Amino acid sequence: QQQVKQSPQSLIVQKGGISIINCAYENTAFDYFPWYQQFPGKGPALLIAIRPDVSEKKEGRFTISFNKSAKQFSLHIMDSQPGDSATYFCAASKLNDYKLSFGAGTTVTVRA
Amino acid sequence: NAGVMQNPRHLVRRRGQEARLRCSPMKGHSHVYWYRQLPEEGLKFMVYLQKENIIDESGMPKERFSAEFPKEGPSILRIQQVVRGDSAAYFCASSTPLSDTQYFGPGTRLTVL
Repeated sequence: QQQVKQSPQSLIVQKGGISIINCAYENTAFDYFPWYQQFPGKGPALLIAIRPDVSEKKEGRFTISFNKSAKQFSLHIMDSQPGDSATYFCAASKLNDYKLSFGAGTTVTVRA
Repeated sequence: NAGVMQNPRHLVRRRGQEARLRCSPMKGHSHVYWYRQLPEEGLKFMVYLQKENIIDESGMPKERFSAEFPKEGPSILRIQQVVRGDSAAYFCASSTPLSDTQYFGPGTRLTVL
């Protein structure tokens, strides 16, 4: 069974707009939540990550919001640019158990 | 400062042949992970290795698949007697000890004819 559920499957946003991707999990033992960006034909690249002790983390135009009680976390891409067009994966892992459980991915298309 | 390296990048095999995928971790990284990505799906964990040790192989199919990370040289993912369902992208990641951050290679895309 998929331990991390990701939505939407795809989204289209205009240049300058905000892209929002949501993930939900069931396993309360998860304590590390990274987001990866993947371009076609490439490997996933770490974008930003968060732990449950904070509710928000921002790096440049990318922000993770984390809601521990709802077991949900989301990625916001502000001022989306055509170069942000890629597939984004959320993931989670447990303390001292380094295998990552990935969401199914969201394909983001930013139109100029 | 080279990242994680994988080769070959593309591999074509006929049913029943063997596939060997190689992964060289980043310099200073002693932990290696293998993941498989089927078309339109997320990555699925297969195996976690440290030098000369398999730490967690809970995601590996019980038959035909094996992995190793020898004292010298790259990590190898070996698939014996490949079937069409093995066609996928196989990614290797590496990390330093006690780090959550995994860095991924470019992947090997296996096609089984």
